[in-house]
Parts: sequence; structure tokens; C-alpha cells
Amino acid sequence: GQNIDQPTEMTATEGAIVQINCTYQTSGFNGLFWYQQHAGEAPTFLSYNVLDGLEEKGRFSSFLSRSKGYSYLLLKELQMKDSASYLCAVRGGGFKTIFGAGTRLFVKA
Amino acid sequence: ETGVTQTPRHLVMGMTNKKSLKCEQHLGHNAMYWYKQSAKKPLELMFVYNFKEQTENNSVPSRFSPECPNSSHLFLHLHTLQPEDSALYLCASSQDLSPPDETTDTQYFGPGTRLTVL
Repeated sequence: GQNIDQPTEMTATEGAIVQINCTYQTSGFNGLFWYQQHAGEAPTFLSYNVLDGLEEKGRFSSFLSRSKGYSYLLLKELQMKDSASYLCAVRGGGFKTIFGAGTRLFVKA
Repeated sequence: ETGVTQTPRHLVMGMTNKKSLKCEQHLGHNAMYWYKQSAKKPLELMFVYNFKEQTENNSVPSRFSPECPNSSHLFLHLHTLQPEDSALYLCASSQDLSPPDETTDTQYFGPGTRLTVL
């Protein structure tokens, strides 16, 4: 079957670094997305990986290892506004995108 | 502003009511999607339309009926829903479904309709 696993909740301190992991098992692979979703709002696109390695965008970086079925989202210099849910999504065979349940990140002062 | 709007933002309905959710995208995209988001569960893909044609129906009960009159508009017609259908219904759009390229398949989401079925 197809499955995406990510931790349910994480807590980190303002100014720190946090890594949110995602493991997946899908039929085929055509890319992995990370989305941010604040409570009561729409998910917004953060990053996309299709090749192994690290993609960096400002304070956010995303890593992919296709052989391990593993990705992480790295958030640096955490700010209070980073408190949100982070959704890992994988586009599998047939280009259907499957979402994980999301990781709720709490940033404390 | 994501370029994808949804109305209404909140909806309360009884199990015998008929209502419709509306989604409109102003991004010139060709693919549109309906998702259901329940508390602590992954986003569940319901329907996908590409160039107005339905390409995916993810075993959704017939009490949910989608309609896509053109590439900019997507509706979800609701009839005789159950309390367990209460959820956030999200619409999304992307440029198209075909090539595995970041710029063409990134999905942009609307703000959602919070549906409560009594």
C-alpha cells in the first residue's frame, strides 16, 4: 500500500533549528512536496524535491533520499510565526499526490 | 492571496439539505482538485479535473457530486450528507497534471470551506 509517516507534533524554541522527518512508501515516485498550513488556513507550498540531496530556500531546506524513502524539512532561526502544521506530500506513479497527516510544530519563546 | 477562492467559508447543514461549494481559480491553471481534511487525518483526495474532464474519483460516495463547467470553476454538490462528512473541504489547482516539473504540478490551495453536518 501507499503510506506517508511523519511525527504528529514537535516543539522547538524560538531561534533554534528543527528537523521534521517524513518517510514514505508509494507506488512509483515523481517528487516530494512540503507544505505549510497555519490553523484555519490553506496549505501553502514550501519546497519540492525530485532528486536526492538538499534544496535550500532561505531559512527552509528540504532533503530527499529516494533509496531510503526519506525526506526532512529543516527550519532554521525559528520564529513564532513558524508555528503551523507541515505537510509532506508525495507524487507517486500516475502523478497522484498523497499527503501525510502533517506535523504540528509549536514554537515557544 | 493564493489566487484560489472558495465560498462559502463556513457551512452548517442538516442531513436532508442540498448545498453546493464553489471554487474559483484566477491562475490560468488547467487542473483542479477537491480534498477533504478531517482533524488529525491526512488530506484525502476526492476528485481531480484536468481540462474540465474528471481524471480521478477516489471512491467518493455519490452524495458528493463534482461539477467543472470550465477550467476556472469547480463545484461540489452536497446531498443527504452524514455527520461524519463534517470536515474542511479544500480546493486546489495546478497548471496541469502531466510533466514531473515543480512549476507545473505545484498545487495552490484555496482557504477551504468548514462544513458541519448536523
